[in-house]
Amino acid sequence: SQKIEQNSEALNIQEGKTATLTCNYTNYSPAYLQWYRQDPGRGPVFLLLIRENEKEKRKERLKVTFDTTLKQSLFHITASQPADSATYLCALVSNQAGTALIFGKGTTLSVSS
Amino acid sequence: GAVVSQHPSRVICKSGTSVKIECRSLDFQATTMFWYRQFPKQSLMLMATSNEGSKATYEQGVEKDKFLINHASLTLSTLTVTSAHPEDSSFYICSAAMVAGGPGSPLHFGNGTRLTVT
Repeated sequence: SQKIEQNSEALNIQEGKTATLTCNYTNYSPAYLQWYRQDPGRGPVFLLLIRENEKEKRKERLKVTFDTTLKQSLFHITASQPADSATYLCALVSNQAGTALIFGKGTTLSVSS
Repeated sequence: GAVVSQHPSRVICKSGTSVKIECRSLDFQATTMFWYRQFPKQSLMLMATSNEGSKATYEQGVEKDKFLINHASLTLSTLTVTSAHPEDSSFYICSAAMVAGGPGSPLHFGNGTRLTVT
């Protein structure tokens, strides 16, 4: 079955720096991969989706890359702010039908001012 | 847009009782809703997939007789934890996919229900 690994449980950076989070998967390459943000005690919020034929996707200060050869996605937050502090989850489909999502454990980002 | 409302946000119940959690898509129709459970510092674990008008599909290891799911309409799914025990204490989160979304569409999540069984 598909497994997702987000290598860092926690990442601490200073305001203004770029945060880079890693997501690796172990099995078949999904048609797309998604990133979510989760704040404590809240449900995840969708941030970005990247398809297998896209190398890179951007949205404001966020950038996601997808390397199907390495089976890896990188999530970047540029010019980070304390408000970016949260847990970031990588997600992809659990089955070939492309319906249910499975999630990594997440990386908790702390941005200090 | 794409708001999912989950109720209640917190519930404390005694061991042996049942608890119902509601998940509503407020401004869109959801053919499929998903129920997840999350333990502290752990990932969201998919419990079941619920399709409107049909029986839910449960993930391996999830007891369907204990976690009853009903998806009676395109905007409402409920999860009932029957005969709750302290080990059922967790954060339960529902999510919904839009009817028109298709495979790969982002999920819209509720804000979760913190269940504590005493």
